[in-house]
Amino acid sequence: QFQLVQSGAEVKKPGASVKVSCKVSGYTLSELSIHWMRQAPGQGLEWMGTLDSEDGETVSPQKIQDRVTVTEDTSTNTAYLELRGLRSDDTAVYFCAAKQWERHSPAEEDTWFDPWGQGTLVTVSS
Amino acid sequence: SSGLTQDPAVSVALGQTVRITCQGDSLRRYSASWYQQKPGQAPVLVIFGLNNRPSGIPDRFSGSRSGNTVSLTITGAQAEDEADYYCDSRDSSGRHWEFGGGTKLTVL
Repeated sequence: QFQLVQSGAEVKKPGASVKVSCKVSGYTLSELSIHWMRQAPGQGLEWMGTLDSEDGETVSPQKIQDRVTVTEDTSTNTAYLELRGLRSDDTAVYFCAAKQWERHSPAEEDTWFDPWGQGTLVTVSS
Repeated sequence: SSGLTQDPAVSVALGQTVRITCQGDSLRRYSASWYQQKPGQAPVLVIFGLNNRPSGIPDRFSGSRSGNTVSLTITGAQAEDEADYYCDSRDSSGRHWEFGGGTKLTVL
């Protein structure tokens, strides 16, 4: 089983940017699809986005798509999530996870996230 | 808000069977997976592809689907199963993913 190891906690001021890293060990990043999730204090999981394998662009929910960028550095086997224009409600633990899949037919594919990184706490406070 | 709906909290007596459900229109087309999360820890995959368990997950965990609802069943719940459980699937567009709001399981 390969592992995902994330960077350490960050404290940022409102309006700043943060870049969280996720280093893959035991596998080749280019053969994986890394997704990003976050979890605000006491709240549930929220999918943040991933890299489109066809065009290399960030795919993310509409409500954050203008503030988030996902990138990868295959030379260091590391994926990154950048979030700009930070607000207090961006305070959360950010997770990376590897998407796995099994295709049963052209129209039927199971997907799941395993393994997950340990999480990175990002605190936005003035 | 998520298109996947879960009951916020469920309780079960030790050794009894509990079912945790996740409902959403996208589940008619896409499969779901289930994650267990304990306080201060990252989520752990427990069920994928309707009813498959990763290695290391006890066989008391199982999954099923009926219409637009998927279920996680724990047969003979143990104290260590007390945790938050989340379902996830692609959304109706097929290009994004989403999680249910989570179910807090209490083992009495």
